[in-house]
Amino acid sequence: GVTQSPTHLIKTRGQQVTLRCSSQSGHNTVSWYQQALGQGPQFIFQYYREEENGRGNFPPRFSGLQFPNDSSELNVNALELDDSALYLCASSLRQGLNSPLHFGNGTRLTVT
Amino acid sequence: AQKITQTQPGMFVQEKEAVTLDCTYDTSDPSYGLFWYKQPSSGEMIFLIYQGSYDQQNATEGRYSLNFQKARKSANLVISASQLGDSAMYFCAMRELGNQFYFGTGTSLTVIP
Repeated sequence: GVTQSPTHLIKTRGQQVTLRCSSQSGHNTVSWYQQALGQGPQFIFQYYREEENGRGNFPPRFSGLQFPNDSSELNVNALELDDSALYLCASSLRQGLNSPLHFGNGTRLTVT
Repeated sequence: AQKITQTQPGMFVQEKEAVTLDCTYDTSDPSYGLFWYKQPSSGEMIFLIYQGSYDQQNATEGRYSLNFQKARKSANLVISASQLGDSAMYFCAMRELGNQFYFGTGTSLTVIP
């Protein structure tokens, strides 16, 4: 399945953070979502074959990478208090409309 | 306008009874997919069921079925024979021809013994 690390993280405002994800084997698409408390997940961006091919309404300080070995990263610079959330990584086998996302357990980020 | 609307913040159901979780969606695309996910307190989003916009029949997966009413733009999830393990947050989601999924705000389901 999809694995994420770390599970929990506490950072200070202004710092930078890197979250990691290992996609399900054979899945060539990975996307990241932010889930604030009491809300549904919000799309941050998607990578397909190591290139970003979709981005939600998030500022450039949210960036990512996808590697050939089914792993990916989400980087957030200049952390703000509102960045506190559960960050979910998801992979899918293909990009078709009927292809579900398979999620990891998430990383809970707290910014103080 | 919200792409996905879930109007029930919380629902209660007696064990072994059926429950319907409501979802309405908004899109002008003729092609789209509708999904339901379950999120237990552990945080992982678990895929439950999928319905395509061109599918003529309602989707079913075990105890889950999707009541798809295209003209009304609704995609309600029906859980039959509820179990204690069904207690969780449930999210409705839609995917259009772009790459992102749009999620609703979720419904918290509690199964009462």
